[in-house]
Amino acid sequence: DTAVSQTPKYLVTQMGNDKSIKCEQNLGHDTMYWYKQDSKKFLKIMFSYNNKELIINETVPNRFSPKSPDKAHLNLHINSLELGDSAVYFCASSQFGGALNIQYFGAGTRLSVL
Amino acid sequence: KQEVTQIPAALSVPEGENLVLNCSFTDSAIYNLQWFRQDPGKGLTSLLLIQSSQREQTSGRLNASLDKSSGRSTLYIAASQPGDSATYLCAVRGSSGNTPLVFGKGTRLSVIA
Repeated sequence: DTAVSQTPKYLVTQMGNDKSIKCEQNLGHDTMYWYKQDSKKFLKIMFSYNNKELIINETVPNRFSPKSPDKAHLNLHINSLELGDSAVYFCASSQFGGALNIQYFGAGTRLSVL
Repeated sequence: KQEVTQIPAALSVPEGENLVLNCSFTDSAIYNLQWFRQDPGKGLTSLLLIQSSQREQTSGRLNASLDKSSGRSTLYIAASQPGDSATYLCAVRGSSGNTPLVFGKGTRLSVIA
């Protein structure tokens, strides 16, 4: 049973399009994250939600809009896609105040903007 | 602002060798430190997590140490195997609230049979 699942795994699209990536966790965690891994393999935080509320928003263009309908889901919608948006996007979750506070990651969504 | 550095960027060793991967961070006020493994085209697998109050954690052939005051962690891999070939990422979590992880750029390990 996959703990953190993202869909789709691969996404190829044209510049200017709007696309969404979905993330779901079945661990009962209350905090979810979106990270971006660029072409140099560097992972950086984009957003963090705790109990459906945005708590972290790094300097991400407002074309990126996260949406958390409930604690188990954090979706990422991207408007007007640009070439520089090509990357691997990882979703993660953790339990605030948990004894170990381990973050669990999804398998990633590889986005290619042509 | 927290910065995490990993050296070396890449490492190639013959099978059976013991090896050490290094991680350093600029702000010692951390909640915990996590070591991950990433295989090409795959997600991240958590290997070890060390709380800020701990000095080391062990899992099988892996041993991670933490020296918070000097801002350093090491991941020791004993008797390396070709299956250990992957990128190893170090990440720290800040001490305030539910902060996200700050990652290093990773060490790409190749174990040659």
